[in-house]
Amino acid sequence: EDQVTQSPEALRLQEGESSSLNCSYTVSGLRGLFWYRQDPGKGPEFLFTLYSAGEEKEKERLKATLTKKESFLHITAPKPEDSATYLCAVQAGPTGANSKLTFGKGITLSVRP
Amino acid sequence: ETGVTQSPTHLIKTRGQQVTLRCSSQSGHNTVSWYQQALGQGPQFIFQYYREEENGRGNFPPRFSGLQFPNYSSELNVNALELDDSALYLCASSLQGNPQGYTFGSGTRLTVV
Repeated sequence: EDQVTQSPEALRLQEGESSSLNCSYTVSGLRGLFWYRQDPGKGPEFLFTLYSAGEEKEKERLKATLTKKESFLHITAPKPEDSATYLCAVQAGPTGANSKLTFGKGITLSVRP
Repeated sequence: ETGVTQSPTHLIKTRGQQVTLRCSSQSGHNTVSWYQQALGQGPQFIFQYYREEENGRGNFPPRFSGLQFPNYSSELNVNALELDDSALYLCASSLQGNPQGYTFGSGTRLTVV
């Protein structure tokens, strides 16, 4: 069964203090690893998809990387508006199957001004 | 371009009752997936519908059922509600099930008392 573990559960940073969020996964036949941002009372908002080990993607202060066992979401010089829960999810199985995502529990990030 | 709309936003039901949650897909999307998100947890896959047919199901009992209509809107029905069914129910639409194109709604917060 596919498993996704995110750490730490919660992270408090000072504005400008860079850090990384971890996502470890165990799947059979990874088709994609996804990062989402979720604000309180809202649905997840898509950030990145990574498909193969060594791949990296960037968007503003966020950079996602992927290895064969884990993914990191690096946050450079965060701002208070980056405060949210960050969810990691994997899609696995044969091409053509449904696009079920298996999510981790999420990491709650708080950035203090 | 409209987003995904879910109704109602909040709902309180009594144990043993039945509930229907509704989702209007984003324009042009033909696939709808439903997820259950308990407090402090990541979303869990319930099932997916593609062109009005169920296209994959997670580990949820048969009292969770769904429908997709010709206009690609969808319903989630839950019978014989239990206290553990209290959660945020998320609907996500996409084109042909591509999670990179998932658009999530803001969810329906269901409380079972």
